[in-house]
Amino acid sequence: GQQVMQIPQYQHVQEGEDFTTYCNSSTTLSNIQWYKQRPGGHPVFLIQLVKSGEVKKQKRLTFQFGEAKKNSSLHITATQTTDVGTYFCAGAYNQGGKLIFGQGTELSVKP
Amino acid sequence: GAVVSQHPSRVICKSGTSVKIECRSLDFQATTMFWYRQFPKQSLMLMATSNEGSKATYEQGVEKDKFLINHASLTLSTLTVTSAHPEDSSFYICSAYPGQTNYGYTFGSGTRLTVV
Repeated sequence: GQQVMQIPQYQHVQEGEDFTTYCNSSTTLSNIQWYKQRPGGHPVFLIQLVKSGEVKKQKRLTFQFGEAKKNSSLHITATQTTDVGTYFCAGAYNQGGKLIFGQGTELSVKP
Repeated sequence: GAVVSQHPSRVICKSGTSVKIECRSLDFQATTMFWYRQFPKQSLMLMATSNEGSKATYEQGVEKDKFLINHASLTLSTLTVTSAHPEDSSFYICSAYPGQTNYGYTFGSGTRLTVV
């Protein structure tokens, strides 16, 4: 079946250090989306990647979509305490269709 | 931006009773909505896809008779947990796709269900 694997499960960093989480799908995706969830909250949309090899930036966050549209990464430069939360990738196999979530990476940032 | 409203945010019920959770799209029409379940420290597991005017599509392993889904209008989907048991205690979240690529999927605020 369709699966999206995400690593690592946890990442503890010192404030100012960089952080990266990786996702891999068993099959080619239509698009991949990234969400952030704070404890007790719901997922909040960060970005969607659609094109093969696409790279998008949001301030300190850099998102990449692989050439084969099967893998993706989120990189945060110089983490801040406000970056704390769980980051999920979610793959869609057709636009507007169901999202399959990765396991999530819980980021903690030590001041 | 697109908003999905989910109610209630928290509910405690007794074993054997049923609980209804509502998910409304406030400023867009959603022919399709998605229902997820999330256990503590775990990912969102897709339970079913709710289709307006037709039967929901359930993921493998999800009991259709236990988790009743109704999508009677373009803005409302409901999930009813029937004959709830303590193992049904979880965080249930709905989502919908507003149709605008840059906005991704919009999620409700979730419902924390506790069955005692």
